[in-house]
Amino acid sequence: GDSVTQMEGPVTLSEEAFLTINCTYTATGYPSLFWYVQYPGEGLQLLLKATKADDKGSNKGFEATYRKETTSFHLEKGSVQVSDSAVYFCALTPAGNQFYFGTGTSLTVIP
Amino acid sequence: KAGVTQTPRYLIKTRGQQVTLSCSPISGHRSVSWYQQTPGQGLQFLFEYFSETQRNKGNFPGRFSGRQFSNSRSEMNVSTLELGDSALYLCASSLGGRRGTEAFFGQGTRLTVV
Repeated sequence: GDSVTQMEGPVTLSEEAFLTINCTYTATGYPSLFWYVQYPGEGLQLLLKATKADDKGSNKGFEATYRKETTSFHLEKGSVQVSDSAVYFCALTPAGNQFYFGTGTSLTVIP
Repeated sequence: KAGVTQTPRYLIKTRGQQVTLSCSPISGHRSVSWYQQTPGQGLQFLFEYFSETQRNKGNFPGRFSGRQFSNSRSEMNVSTLELGDSALYLCASSLGGRRGTEAFFGQGTRLTVV
């Protein structure tokens, strides 16, 4: 079945450090891939997405590239800020509105 | 435009009771899906409704049910509550395209079963 495996956390970084959160997936067919972010006490917010192989999603300095050959969608940011502290979820959807989520990676950025 | 609205935000129920949660999707969105989020199991898909019909269903017992109205608003019902049903329940709204369009999430309903 479809599934997402995400890098375990928590991750603690200093401000302006480089961030990578690994995500790999298993899916039949050609899913769409997403990164969502969750701030404390909130629902999930879409961070970025990619709908086909080699697509690069980007938003707010975050980037992720849909790699079909390695079944990966790693999240990167060149310089993190304290305000980026949150839980990040990698997700895929084969179709419709049914998402498969990774376990989430908690990120804390310290000044 | 208004986002996804879930009501109530917080609920405390007693074991054995039943509960109904509500979700109003973004205007124009025809698909509503529900997720249960717990520290141990993470985010798990419950079911999806599209144009008043259940389109997909996750692996949850029959105590969990839902429905969607003609205005796309959706309700989720849990009967005979168990302590393990304590969780954050999230609703997601989307246009519902088959290709896998992005979903917009509400803030969730925090259910505590005592």
